[in-house]
Amino acid sequence: QVQLQESGPGLVKPSETLSLTCAVSGGSVSSGTYYWSWIRQPPGKGLEWIGYIYYSGSTNYNPSLRSRVTISLDTSKNHFSLRLSSVTAADTAVYYCARDFGWVAFDIWGQGTMVTVSS
Amino acid sequence: QSALTQPASVSGSPGQSITISCTGTSSDVGGYNYVSWYQQQPGKAPKLMMYEVTNRPSGVSNRFSGSKSGNTASLTISGLQAEDEADYYCSSYTTSSTPKGVFGGGTKLTVL
Repeated sequence: QVQLQESGPGLVKPSETLSLTCAVSGGSVSSGTYYWSWIRQPPGKGLEWIGYIYYSGSTNYNPSLRSRVTISLDTSKNHFSLRLSSVTAADTAVYYCARDFGWVAFDIWGQGTMVTVSS
Repeated sequence: QSALTQPASVSGSPGQSITISCTGTSSDVGGYNYVSWYQQQPGKAPKLMMYEVTNRPSGVSNRFSGSKSGNTASLTISGLQAEDEADYYCSSYTTSSTPKGVFGGGTKLTVL
C-alpha cells in the first residue's frame, strides 16, 4: 500500500529556509488522481493546511503562507518537497505530508516530522 | 484564513452516543459536500474517518457517521468505546478567497 515518509532538518534558524521532502512508496506521484499535500501542527495546537501540488505541477497554497511557500514535485525520485522561507518561531510545528484524493480529503499521511525554529 | 468552528471538548460514557459539530460558512461547509473528519491519537498522525460528509473509508467502524445541515457538519459516534478517546478535526473545501482547504480547531473527546 502507499506510504509517505517525511525527511529533513529538525532544527532551522530564524530567517532561514525550511526544506522537507516526502518520499512516496507503493504508488506514483505522477498519478493524476491525487493532490500531494503538506499540513502542519504547532505544538498543542490544531492542523493547518499549507498547500498541495498536482501531478501536472500546478500548485495551490494557503493564502497566509503563499508569499513564503513553494511545493515542488520530483517524478524521477517519486517525491515531493516543501520549502518555507524566512521562518520564525511561529513556524515551529510537526509537518505532515499527506495524499488528498479529492477536495481536502487526506487518506494517507506520513508519520510527521518535528521542525523547531531556533537560533 | 479562519478555521472552522468546533467545540473544544465533548465527553460521553461508554456505550453512549456523542456528536461533534463543525460550523463554517456558505463558502465552505454550507456550499459544498466536501467535509472530512479526522481522528488523531496522541503523538500520531491524523486518520481519515469520514469524507464527502457521509462516506466512511474502508476499515472505519460503522459506529461513526456524518451529516450536514446548512453551514454545520456533524460527526456522530455511537456505542462509545474507550479507544475513541482522541482529538477530532473537520476539514472542508473552501472558496472564501481562493480555492483551498481549511481545518476546524479540533475537539478533544473524553470517554468517561
